Amino acid sequence: AQSVTQPDIHITVSEGASLELRCNYSYGATPYLFWYVQSPGQGLQLLLKYFSGDTLVQGIKGFEAEFKRSQSSFNLRKPSVHWSDAAEYFCAVCPGDSNYQLIWGAGTKLIIKP
Amino acid sequence: DTEVTQTPKHLVMGMTNKKSLKCEQHMGHRAMYWYKQKAKKPPELMFVYSYEKLSINESVPSRFSPECPNSSLLNLHLHALQPEDSALYLCASSQVSGAQYFGPGTRLTVL
Repeated sequence: AQSVTQPDIHITVSEGASLELRCNYSYGATPYLFWYVQSPGQGLQLLLKYFSGDTLVQGIKGFEAEFKRSQSSFNLRKPSVHWSDAAEYFCAVCPGDSNYQLIWGAGTKLIIKP
Repeated sequence: DTEVTQTPKHLVMGMTNKKSLKCEQHMGHRAMYWYKQKAKKPPELMFVYSYEKLSINESVPSRFSPECPNSSLLNLHLHALQPEDSALYLCASSQVSGAQYFGPGTRLTVL
């Protein structure tokens, strides 16, 4: 079955430190890949997306993600986190056989230490 | 502009009430979605409208009734809800096969 795994339920990072959030997917072909961020009580904001082409994708708020086909991964990175980055981060995958249905990871909660 | 708006922001209703949630987008997207999200969980897809026709209904109970009056508007009519239906209800829109853009959500509490 198709699935998305975010192995880290929580990650704690000091302000100013670098960040990497992991995402692995299980799907035969290359799906469409997304990262979303959700602040408490808010909707989800699209950080970045990968459909095809360059495997290093730049997003909003200084985030980037790299698609690695050999590892079925789409990890999210930021070189220097800010306290305002504290939020829940969701990786999502749209398999090629569906235009609409996203498969979601369980989410990773990012905690920023001052 | 990648904005999806939702009203109301908060809603408290009794189990015998009838209420509606509203969603609007002006990005020219032809697919619109309703999701339900419980705390600390990813969103769960409820309904998808594509070109104003119901495309996907994820076996949602009939006490939730979606409506798409036109390509910019999406409603979710609520009737005889249960306390376990309390959640954040999110609307999203997209181009067909495109990224989904979410609204801020309606926080629903059923008493």
